[in-house]
Amino acid sequence: NAGVMQNPRHLVRRRGQEARLRCSPMKGHSHVYWYRQLPEEGLKFMVYLQKENIIDESGMPKERFSAEFPKEGPSILRIQQVVRGDSAAYFCASSLLGRTGGRGSEKLFFGSGTQLSVL
Amino acid sequence: AQSVTQPDIHITVSEGASLELRCNYSYGATPYLFWYVQSPGQGLQLLLKYFSGDTLVQGIKGFEAEFKRSQSSFNLRKPSVHWSDAAEYFCAVVTSGTYKYIFGTGTRLKVLA
Repeated sequence: NAGVMQNPRHLVRRRGQEARLRCSPMKGHSHVYWYRQLPEEGLKFMVYLQKENIIDESGMPKERFSAEFPKEGPSILRIQQVVRGDSAAYFCASSLLGRTGGRGSEKLFFGSGTQLSVL
Repeated sequence: AQSVTQPDIHITVSEGASLELRCNYSYGATPYLFWYVQSPGQGLQLLLKYFSGDTLVQGIKGFEAEFKRSQSSFNLRKPSVHWSDAAEYFCAVVTSGTYKYIFGTGTRLKVLA
């Protein structure tokens, strides 16, 4: 039973290039979340997606960043025209349900992350 | 605004010693609280969670945490640390019915042989 799969593990880009980060959720999960971890900081929520829908992108930078979760295939986080400040670890998580339940059964399962380095 | 504070950035303990990692949260109602561990090059693994009920929560790998409402704290403890526990530990909070986890900045644990 594979967990949340992210690739690539490491991605190096030069300033101005595009970065594409992929995330395959756990089998049966239709809720995907992206978090960003900047150096010396905790993880920060970026976006929450369901299949073919962006539910909440309140944590996404207004420009250059976009995310999708198509009907088929992995979720993609795309960063256009990368800058050095985009260097970070990007984590994807998935869940069975989209809302924390009263029984406390809901939780997020995290991938191993993609370390983006911008030269 | 909701927030999570982990006051200790780095902690060093000797193998076999006891461990306590601090976590304080700011939220008006009872939140859902989590501790995650991140080993080098790995994703986050859930150690334990608190939703309601008994305020002392048992987790995996011998960890436990105690929810203290009066102190707005959810400290992680382990009676005897193993070298393999060296990792970074994150406390997180989420409010009922939402999905936006709020993470602390993490505590990096070093274990001396």
